[in-house]
Amino acid sequence: DAKTTQPPSMDCAEGRAANLPCNHSTISGNEYVYWYRQIHSQGPQYIIHGLKNNETNEMASLIITEDRKSSTLILPHATLRDTAVYYCIVRPYTDKLIFGTGTRLQVFP
Amino acid sequence: DTGVSQNPRHKITKRGQNVTFRCDPISEHNRLYWYRQTLGQGPEFLTYFQNEAQLEKSRLLSDRFSAERPKGSFSTLEIQRTEQGDSAMYLCASSTDRSPYNEQFFGPGTRLTVL
Repeated sequence: DAKTTQPPSMDCAEGRAANLPCNHSTISGNEYVYWYRQIHSQGPQYIIHGLKNNETNEMASLIITEDRKSSTLILPHATLRDTAVYYCIVRPYTDKLIFGTGTRLQVFP
Repeated sequence: DTGVSQNPRHKITKRGQNVTFRCDPISEHNRLYWYRQTLGQGPEFLTYFQNEAQLEKSRLLSDRFSAERPKGSFSTLEIQRTEQGDSAMYLCASSTDRSPYNEQFFGPGTRLTVL
């Protein structure tokens, strides 16, 4: 079973920051937080991951709380092409991915 | 690097028939995964190969399902005696243990419809 809880849907205006929350209160010390997204009719795409420090790459930023029980994925300037289902996953470094139902993000003009 | 490819992209079959799907991972990726996704749900893990060895199988993988990766490169997933409940998107992903990110790269999937 998925070890994460995410809101089923969110809206965001184009050009604004999209902040997607995730709760993972039972995360273990050796488990990473991974984020993937799935654009309609495509396979999931890796976005970012982290263990306990905040991370940033060209796609997004990941903020992990100090107790590691929750995190937020930030898309700094959302575009229409960011409309997708976003999955937050906790996993050991080398294990399979266990997806929940994710957050459906709708970016509107 | 052309990414993960899957064939066919779509398959329509009648109940009781056998079907086989193929996945070609990114070259030199030693890990290969199969997932299944039904409408409105996230992908569900089916099985995992490291090189040619099948290291893990989900309970979802009934006796009618078999997966192979004979030379540690491409993989096939066969479903025997298909049932309507097998209708889903079948996704393949690959990764390499030499990546510091350990991210999985997914193919476009094979959509199976069982009539």
